[in-house]
Amino acid sequence: DIVMTQAPLSVSVTPGESASISCRSSKSLLHSNGITYVYWYLQKPGKSPQLLIYRMSNLASGVPDRFSGSGSETDFTLKISRVEAEDVGIYYCGQLLENPYTFGAGTKLELK
Amino acid sequence: QVTLKESGPGILQPSQTLSLTCTFSGFSLSTYGMGVGWIRQPSGKGLEWLANIWWDDDKYYNPSLKNRLTISKDTSNNQAFLKITNVDTADTATYYCARIGGGGLAYWGQGTLVTVSS
Repeated sequence: DIVMTQAPLSVSVTPGESASISCRSSKSLLHSNGITYVYWYLQKPGKSPQLLIYRMSNLASGVPDRFSGSGSETDFTLKISRVEAEDVGIYYCGQLLENPYTFGAGTKLELK
Repeated sequence: QVTLKESGPGILQPSQTLSLTCTFSGFSLSTYGMGVGWIRQPSGKGLEWLANIWWDDDKYYNPSLKNRLTISKDTSNNQAFLKITNVDTADTATYYCARIGGGGLAYWGQGTLVTVSS
Protein backbone atom coordinates (compact mmCIF):
# COMPACT_ATOMS: atom_id res chain seq x y z
CA ASP A 1 0.00 0.00 0.00
CA ILE A 2 1.13 3.57 -0.63
CA VAL A 3 1.65 5.29 2.71
CA MET A 4 0.80 8.99 2.90
CA THR A 5 2.60 10.83 5.71
CA GLN A 6 1.40 14.29 6.70
CA ALA A 7 3.10 16.96 8.78
CA PRO A 8 2.44 18.61 11.09
CA LEU A 9 -0.36 16.80 12.91
CA SER A 10 -1.74 20.12 13.98
CA VAL A 11 -1.16 23.77 13.18
CA SER A 12 -2.37 26.93 14.87
CA VAL A 13 -2.64 29.99 12.65
CA THR A 14 -3.49 33.64 13.21
CA PRO A 15 -6.32 34.72 10.92
CA GLY A 16 -4.94 36.52 7.89
CA GLU A 17 -1.64 34.67 7.98
CA SER A 18 -0.66 31.74 5.80
CA ALA A 19 -0.29 28.05 6.57
CA SER A 20 1.42 25.14 4.85
CA ILE A 21 0.78 21.43 5.22
CA SER A 22 3.14 18.78 3.91
CA CYS A 23 2.42 15.31 2.63
CA ARG A 24 4.88 12.66 1.56
CA SER A 25 4.06 9.47 -0.31
CA SER A 26 5.99 6.21 0.00
CA LYS A 27 5.94 5.85 -3.79
CA SER A 28 5.93 8.25 -6.71
CA LEU A 29 2.42 9.42 -7.54
CA LEU A 30 3.45 10.55 -11.01
CA HIS A 31 1.78 8.40 -13.63
CA SER A 32 3.29 7.78 -17.03
CA ASN A 33 0.53 9.99 -18.43
CA GLY A 34 2.13 12.98 -16.70
CA ILE A 35 -0.58 13.33 -14.04
CA THR A 36 0.31 13.29 -10.37
CA TYR A 37 -2.53 11.60 -8.52
CA VAL A 38 -2.47 13.43 -5.20
CA TYR A 39 -5.50 15.19 -3.77
CA TRP A 40 -6.25 17.44 -0.81
CA TYR A 41 -9.45 17.42 1.23
CA LEU A 42 -10.82 19.48 4.11
CA GLN A 43 -13.15 17.98 6.66
CA LYS A 44 -14.90 20.68 8.61
CA PRO A 45 -16.25 19.76 12.05
CA GLY A 46 -19.22 17.41 11.75
CA LYS A 47 -19.12 17.41 7.95
CA SER A 48 -18.05 15.12 5.12
CA PRO A 49 -14.65 15.71 3.52
CA GLN A 50 -14.65 18.17 0.66
CA LEU A 51 -12.22 18.25 -2.25
CA LEU A 52 -9.87 21.23 -2.34
CA ILE A 53 -7.12 20.29 -4.81
CA TYR A 54 -7.03 17.56 -7.43
CA ARG A 55 -4.11 16.14 -9.37
CA MET A 56 -1.62 17.97 -7.16
CA SER A 57 -2.23 21.55 -8.22
CA ASN A 58 -5.72 22.00 -9.64
CA LEU A 59 -8.24 23.99 -7.63
CA ALA A 60 -11.56 22.21 -7.25
CA SER A 61 -14.74 23.99 -8.24
CA GLY A 62 -15.91 26.60 -5.77
CA VAL A 63 -12.71 26.52 -3.69
CA PRO A 64 -11.21 29.95 -2.93
CA ASP A 65 -7.96 30.73 -4.67
CA ARG A 66 -6.37 31.20 -1.25
CA PHE A 67 -5.74 27.46 -1.51
CA SER A 68 -2.97 26.10 -3.69
CA GLY A 69 -1.21 22.79 -4.17
CA SER A 70 2.28 22.00 -5.35
CA GLY A 71 4.91 19.32 -5.19
CA SER A 72 7.07 16.76 -6.86
CA GLU A 73 6.61 13.03 -7.37
CA THR A 74 6.57 12.18 -3.67
CA ASP A 75 6.51 15.44 -1.72
CA PHE A 76 3.49 17.69 -1.75
CA THR A 77 2.38 20.91 -0.12
CA LEU A 78 -0.96 22.53 0.49
CA LYS A 79 -0.71 26.26 1.11
CA ILE A 80 -3.46 28.39 2.54
CA SER A 81 -2.98 32.11 2.15
CA ARG A 82 -4.81 34.56 4.41
CA VAL A 83 -6.38 31.91 6.66
CA GLU A 84 -10.00 32.57 7.58
CA ALA A 85 -12.25 31.18 10.31
CA GLU A 86 -14.03 28.94 7.75
CA ASP A 87 -10.73 27.13 7.05
CA VAL A 88 -10.79 25.40 10.44
CA GLY A 89 -10.90 21.61 10.25
CA ILE A 90 -8.81 18.60 9.38
CA TYR A 91 -6.89 18.50 6.13
CA TYR A 92 -6.16 15.18 4.44
CA CYS A 93 -3.98 14.33 1.50
CA GLY A 94 -4.87 11.26 -0.51
CA GLN A 95 -3.72 9.28 -3.51
CA LEU A 96 -5.73 7.78 -6.35
CA LEU A 97 -2.82 6.31 -8.27
CA GLU A 98 -3.30 2.72 -7.23
CA ASN A 99 -5.51 0.53 -5.10
CA PRO A 100 -5.97 0.55 -2.23
CA TYR A 101 -6.44 4.29 -2.37
CA THR A 102 -5.00 5.78 0.80
CA PHE A 103 -5.13 8.94 2.87
CA GLY A 104 -2.78 10.69 5.22
CA ALA A 105 -3.59 10.79 8.91
CA GLY A 106 -4.77 14.37 8.73
CA THR A 107 -3.60 17.79 9.89
CA LYS A 108 -5.80 19.77 12.25
CA LEU A 109 -5.88 23.49 11.58
CA GLU A 110 -6.95 25.76 14.41
CA LEU A 111 -7.03 29.51 14.83
CA LYS A 112 -4.92 31.34 17.36
CA GLN B 1 -26.23 18.50 -9.62
CA VAL B 2 -24.43 15.50 -8.17
CA THR B 3 -25.62 14.14 -4.84
CA LEU B 4 -24.98 10.94 -2.92
CA LYS B 5 -26.67 9.63 0.19
CA GLU B 6 -25.78 6.64 2.29
CA SER B 7 -28.22 4.52 4.21
CA GLY B 8 -27.65 1.71 6.68
CA PRO B 9 -29.06 -0.06 9.73
CA GLY B 10 -27.70 2.35 12.33
CA ILE B 11 -26.96 -0.35 14.86
CA LEU B 12 -26.26 -4.05 14.58
CA GLN B 13 -24.82 -6.84 16.67
CA PRO B 14 -21.42 -8.51 16.41
CA SER B 15 -21.20 -11.29 13.80
CA GLN B 16 -24.05 -9.84 11.76
CA THR B 17 -23.77 -8.63 8.16
CA LEU B 18 -23.74 -4.89 7.52
CA SER B 19 -25.60 -3.78 4.39
CA LEU B 20 -25.08 -0.25 3.12
CA THR B 21 -26.72 1.54 0.21
CA CYS B 22 -25.47 4.59 -1.65
CA THR B 23 -28.20 6.31 -3.64
CA PHE B 24 -26.92 8.93 -6.03
CA SER B 25 -28.10 11.35 -8.69
CA GLY B 26 -26.51 13.63 -11.26
CA PHE B 27 -24.34 10.96 -12.83
CA SER B 28 -24.56 7.39 -14.07
CA LEU B 29 -22.45 4.41 -13.13
CA SER B 30 -22.77 3.26 -16.71
CA THR B 31 -20.79 6.29 -17.93
CA TYR B 32 -17.22 5.58 -18.99
CA GLY B 33 -14.71 6.41 -16.25
CA MET B 34 -17.20 6.73 -13.41
CA GLY B 35 -16.82 4.90 -10.14
CA VAL B 36 -18.16 4.89 -6.59
CA GLY B 37 -16.03 4.25 -3.56
CA TRP B 38 -16.81 3.41 0.05
CA ILE B 39 -14.75 5.01 2.80
CA ARG B 40 -15.20 4.78 6.55
CA GLN B 41 -14.11 6.88 9.51
CA PRO B 42 -14.21 5.78 13.14
CA SER B 43 -15.13 8.60 15.45
CA GLY B 44 -12.19 10.95 15.92
CA LYS B 45 -9.99 9.00 13.53
CA GLY B 46 -8.87 9.12 9.91
CA LEU B 47 -10.24 7.90 6.60
CA GLU B 48 -10.02 4.27 5.49
CA TRP B 49 -10.73 3.21 1.93
CA LEU B 50 -12.86 0.07 1.73
CA ALA B 51 -13.86 -0.72 -1.83
CA ASN B 52 -14.70 0.74 -5.21
CA ILE B 53 -16.78 -0.25 -8.21
CA TRP B 54 -16.51 1.11 -11.75
CA TRP B 55 -18.73 1.72 -14.75
CA ASP B 56 -17.52 -1.53 -16.33
CA ASP B 57 -18.27 -3.49 -13.11
CA ASP B 58 -14.58 -3.73 -12.21
CA LYS B 59 -14.25 -3.95 -8.44
CA TYR B 60 -11.53 -3.49 -5.90
CA TYR B 61 -11.42 -4.38 -2.22
CA ASN B 62 -9.05 -3.23 0.49
CA PRO B 63 -6.97 -6.34 1.23
CA SER B 64 -7.21 -5.70 4.96
CA LEU B 65 -10.94 -6.52 4.79
CA LYS B 66 -11.17 -8.26 1.45
CA ASN B 67 -12.75 -11.52 2.54
CA ARG B 68 -15.52 -9.67 4.34
CA LEU B 69 -16.49 -7.14 1.67
CA THR B 70 -18.84 -7.32 -1.29
CA ILE B 71 -19.52 -4.30 -3.49
CA SER B 72 -22.19 -4.17 -6.17
CA LYS B 73 -24.29 -1.71 -8.14
CA ASP B 74 -27.73 -1.24 -9.63
CA THR B 75 -27.17 1.08 -12.57
CA SER B 76 -30.86 1.36 -13.40
CA ASN B 77 -31.70 2.72 -9.96
CA ASN B 78 -28.49 4.73 -9.45
CA GLN B 79 -27.38 2.79 -6.40
CA ALA B 80 -24.22 1.18 -5.12
CA PHE B 81 -24.06 -1.30 -2.27
CA LEU B 82 -21.54 -2.57 0.22
CA LYS B 83 -21.85 -5.59 2.46
CA ILE B 84 -19.51 -6.34 5.33
CA THR B 85 -19.84 -9.76 6.91
CA ASN B 86 -19.09 -10.82 10.47
CA VAL B 87 -18.91 -7.30 11.92
CA ASP B 88 -17.41 -6.50 15.29
CA THR B 89 -16.98 -3.37 17.39
CA ALA B 90 -13.99 -2.31 15.27
CA ASP B 91 -16.40 -1.76 12.37
CA THR B 92 -18.17 1.02 14.27
CA ALA B 93 -17.70 4.10 12.10
CA THR B 94 -19.28 6.64 9.82
CA TYR B 95 -19.47 5.17 6.33
CA TYR B 96 -19.24 7.42 3.30
CA CYS B 97 -19.73 6.82 -0.39
CA ALA B 98 -18.07 9.11 -2.91
CA ARG B 99 -18.04 9.50 -6.65
CA ILE B 100 -14.71 8.74 -8.26
CA GLY B 101 -14.15 10.76 -11.40
CA GLY B 102 -11.41 12.44 -13.35
CA GLY B 103 -11.17 15.14 -10.71
CA GLY B 104 -10.93 12.77 -7.79
CA LEU B 105 -13.47 12.46 -4.99
CA ALA B 106 -15.31 15.67 -5.76
CA TYR B 107 -18.62 14.48 -4.33
CA TRP B 108 -19.26 12.75 -1.02
CA GLY B 109 -22.38 11.65 0.75
CA GLN B 110 -23.27 12.95 4.20
CA GLY B 111 -22.22 9.67 5.80
CA THR B 112 -24.15 7.12 7.80
CA LEU B 113 -23.16 6.17 11.33
CA VAL B 114 -22.99 2.44 12.01
CA THR B 115 -22.61 1.16 15.56
CA VAL B 116 -21.78 -2.45 16.30
CA SER B 117 -22.82 -3.35 19.81
CA SER B 118 -24.21 -6.29 21.70
